[in-house]
Amino acid sequence: EAQVTQNPRYLITVTGKKLTVTCSQNMNHEYMSWYRQDPGLGLRQIYYSMNVEVTDKGDVPEGYKVSRKEKRNFPLILESPSPNQTSLYFCATRSGGSTDTQYFGPGTRLTVL
Amino acid sequence: EDQVTQSPEALRLQEGESSSLNCSYTVSGLRGLFWYRQDPGKGPEFLFTLYSAGEEKEKERLKATLTKKESFLHITAPKPEDSATYLCAVRPRGFQKLVFGTGTRLLVSP
Repeated sequence: EAQVTQNPRYLITVTGKKLTVTCSQNMNHEYMSWYRQDPGLGLRQIYYSMNVEVTDKGDVPEGYKVSRKEKRNFPLILESPSPNQTSLYFCATRSGGSTDTQYFGPGTRLTVL
Repeated sequence: EDQVTQSPEALRLQEGESSSLNCSYTVSGLRGLFWYRQDPGKGPEFLFTLYSAGEEKEKERLKATLTKKESFLHITAPKPEDSATYLCAVRPRGFQKLVFGTGTRLLVSP
């Protein structure tokens, strides 16, 4: 079954404590991306990756890092989380070619106290 | 600036009462317009991609249409299971991202 998985699904942490949210896909997609979703603001792109070792900033990259060492994995790293990073995070992958369709993971709800 | 505006913010329908959701967009060259369905606590689920004005796509009770400035998601004879938030997004040409609207929350009552 084609899947995008994220872990953890829920996380409560404290300011300054480094954390990583993992994203994995089994569709062999080259493109992967992270979004955050906030009430009244919609989904906004944080970072994206066109392929292994190729990453670039989206619209709201401040306070986040990513890495793409393998095609299937695209972790999101918060080195020093702050309360304004409390949000719902989604990983997405795209099949490329002519379809352009992005498939989203189930989401990670993060609360930073 | 690329922008997507969805209306209404919320819509309540009786089962069987057809209606339309609107997505207005301004974009510097449209690569594609996307409709997603999102249930509470879940990730967006892909519904349709539209690429050019005049294009239409259908899936069960849903039909999406596209003009040069807006898209409509028509819901025919909705059922309670159609209750969800419907998201519209555009992919600007030359950019590797989707620009999302804030969604329309649809509630269909039996």
